[in-house]
Amino acid sequence: QVQLQQSGPGLVKPSQTLSLTCAISGDSVSSKIGAWHWIRQSPSRGLEWLGRTYYRSKWTNDYAVSVKSRITINPDTSKNQFSLQLNSVTPEDTAVYYCARQAGSFDIWGQGTVVTVSS
Amino acid sequence: DIVLTQSPDSLAVSLGERATINCRSSQSVLYSSNNKDHLAWYQQKPGQPPKLLISWASTRESGVPDRFSGSGSGTDFTLTISSLQAEDVAAYYCQQYYSTPFTFGPGTKVDIK
Repeated sequence: QVQLQQSGPGLVKPSQTLSLTCAISGDSVSSKIGAWHWIRQSPSRGLEWLGRTYYRSKWTNDYAVSVKSRITINPDTSKNQFSLQLNSVTPEDTAVYYCARQAGSFDIWGQGTVVTVSS
Repeated sequence: DIVLTQSPDSLAVSLGERATINCRSSQSVLYSSNNKDHLAWYQQKPGQPPKLLISWASTRESGVPDRFSGSGSGTDFTLTISSLQAEDVAAYYCQQYYSTPFTFGPGTKVDIK
């Protein structure tokens, strides 16, 4: 049974970096079938895909254009997890952040982390 | 980017009655190499992450009640709840995984009349 467990702070100051981690159990971040995503949800933006990381013969990342200059998604094979870093946050980055596994569609989701950007 | 629109924004249906939600894509999500529509439906209840109901436009996930069904191809899709139950009160989203950026519809809220 695949599970994703999110961790990270719920409050980030403006201009600082949002950092979240998604720990994987029951699957491998290095899977040659799956991909690992971050999505966020807010009343103003709805469900917004942020980016993914996946391994085939090498690691590949794809990012949404809206955050491309500020985002990094990193796999950590030693801990079987992946992370999200979003730099230079503003109040508009306030949202619920989810990690998810893609095996075809997005079949497994983390529990969600409410992140508020505020001083 | 592929834009997904959903209709209606919300609907209220009597218990046991049919609920129908539509999703339209700005371009086809039918992938020629596998002849599959890369379109999924999710259910989300307050305080919970989205739950996958239907993938490949019409394939019900294991454990999902058979009152949920998906249909359509190309650019027009439908999620049908054949006999609404109280536990089906939720928001429903379509999503395309045909190409990045993967996009979601704005959602449809289903309630009991």
